[in-house]
Amino acid sequence: GAGVSQSPRYKVAKRGQDVALRCDPISGHVSLFWYQQALGQGPEFLTYFQNEAQLDKSGLPSDRFFAERPEGSVSTLKIQRTQQEDSAVYLCASSLDQGAINQPQHFGDGTRLSIL
Amino acid sequence: KQEVTQIPAALSVPEGENLVLNCSFTDSAIYNLQWFRQDPGKGLTSLLLIQSSQREQTSGRLNASLDKSSGRSTLYIAASQPGDSATYLCAVRPPRGTGGFKTIFGAGTRLFVKA
Repeated sequence: GAGVSQSPRYKVAKRGQDVALRCDPISGHVSLFWYQQALGQGPEFLTYFQNEAQLDKSGLPSDRFFAERPEGSVSTLKIQRTQQEDSAVYLCASSLDQGAINQPQHFGDGTRLSIL
Repeated sequence: KQEVTQIPAALSVPEGENLVLNCSFTDSAIYNLQWFRQDPGKGLTSLLLIQSSQREQTSGRLNASLDKSSGRSTLYIAASQPGDSATYLCAVRPPRGTGGFKTIFGAGTRLFVKA
């Protein structure tokens, strides 16, 4: 019955390091979205999963960003060779229906990533 | 390309006042429009979701309207309370053919309700 859970809540990494961010969606939710939110801005879409299938990755900024959801539940967003511009809050959302057309998106509290 | 704009960027009102937040979008072809609330350091909480075929949705002191043809939505908050202080974001879900599975967000309106 819990909501969307993201870990870690805060992550500090040195430039050039790889990081992995985890999202546990609400149980039974088909859709999973990743967003990037800069300070004072609305979230920007990164990628979308329907169950285990990644149907849209058009928002990923570069090939350093990679996301997976191998069993259709937990998802991981990985960023390789981090750069300072990757510093942001990364939000995960899940929805009961395909594409979040008829059902709202439910968000986690995000991971705040700081690259030094 | 769909763009979502929210006006005003920030708003400060005394407790008890009724207020309206505005959201406009450039492409009227949408599946739905959703209003969210975001508290500092937190994720987004869904407030209201309006399907493209609907005109409005109500929940408690909140009422959201949608005018697709003019590309506008408003969020009306009645009898505002200090606990309503937060950032309010609207987001549109374009049809898959045009926007994939993207949800496009506005930058939000930061609301402060003074006690």
